[in-house]
Parts: sequence; structure tokens; C-alpha cells
Amino acid sequence: DAGVIQSPRHEVTEMGQEVTLRCKPISGHDYLFWYRQTMMRGLELLIYFNNNVPIDDSGMPEDRFSAKMPNASFSTLKIQPSEPRDSAVYFCASSPRFSSYEQYFGPGTRLTVT
Amino acid sequence: AQRVTQPEKLLSVFKGAPVELKCNYSYSGSPELFWYVQYSRQRLQLLLRHISRESIKGFTADLNKGETSFHLKKPFAQEEDSAMYYCALKMNNAGNMLTFGGGTRLMVKP
Repeated sequence: DAGVIQSPRHEVTEMGQEVTLRCKPISGHDYLFWYRQTMMRGLELLIYFNNNVPIDDSGMPEDRFSAKMPNASFSTLKIQPSEPRDSAVYFCASSPRFSSYEQYFGPGTRLTVT
Repeated sequence: AQRVTQPEKLLSVFKGAPVELKCNYSYSGSPELFWYVQYSRQRLQLLLRHISRESIKGFTADLNKGETSFHLKKPFAQEEDSAMYYCALKMNNAGNMLTFGGGTRLMVKP
């Protein structure tokens, strides 16, 4: 099992451009989480899904951020338009079921917005 | 609202010295607490959880409800312990959602 898969691993884009990050959770996992990691703020939960349905998006910074999960094996996080302050590492994680205590993280996408 | 605080962003110790990474939380319910670790060029992964009360790689953590703390300890640090450590809290009836602290980078010097 390759675990949680994220693409791209690195993304460099110019301010104002649209950025789409992708995630494939571990097969059979019911929960999917998107996090943002920065030096200043650590690891922040942006949004999470249960059975493809968004449950809590209170961590999404603003309307420029959106996330979708069209099916159990794929999710996207989109930033439009991107800004330099969005530069961070974005992690996707999945978890198998209710009351499971462990989240399985992907390798992350390092986003740089110039 | 729940909150997890790790007061130290960076902790530097010498090999063989004791290490303690601090974690404090605020939550009105009965929490589950965890420590996650990210080694260089590796994925963030679970290190230990308070319910299991086990020692992993020589690390232990005790939940102190009176002080609302869950500090991570190891009596003798090793160079391979150098990593980013995150404390995390799971609330009751919140599915599998975790609230993470800001993280502490541990550097173990030779």
C-alpha cells in the first residue's frame, strides 16, 4: 500500500494564479483531512470530510480556498487566486473509521507563491 | 473551544540528556491526547497515545488532567530523536478530527 498519495509534491506559482492540490486517501478510509503547515502557525486543520461529505470547513482561511471530494478515492484543494501568504506545506491525511485514533498522512505538497 | 499549546518552538539538547517536550491543552470534556512525530524526509506519523500508556522509542507521556498537560519525556535523548513533534487532542463526538499544537522541533546534538 502506497499510503496517502498527494500531487504535486512541489508547486511554484505566481501570485494570482489558480493552484490545485490533489489527494488520494488510503482505500477504505472514511475520513479525509486537509492541513496547512507553516513555521508560524504549525499544523492547522483546514477542512475534513466524512464519506465524501464536508463536515467542518471552519479552518478554511477565506473564500479563495475551496475543497471537494467527488468520490471516496479523490479530493482536491483549490486556491484561487493564490497569494504569497499561502506559501506553506499542505498535507492530506485519512483515517479509517469513527473513533479510530490514528490519522495517516501523505507526504505533503510544498507550495510557493511568488 | 479546544486548544493545544506547545510553548517551545525549538528545543536543543545534547545526546544522552533528558528531554521533555511540553504540551498543554484546554478542553472542557474528556480528551484523548496524542503525540505525532515527523522525522526529516518522512511523513508525519503517530508516536503514542495517552490511552495506551506505552513507551515508544523510549518516549512516554502522562496525561495530567489537573494541570491539563501531556508532556513527552525521554530520559536519554538520541541523535535519531531529532524531529518535529506535534501534540494533538481528539474531542468526544468529533469524529476523527484532531486539533494540533504548533509543534516543537527537537534537535539532539552529538
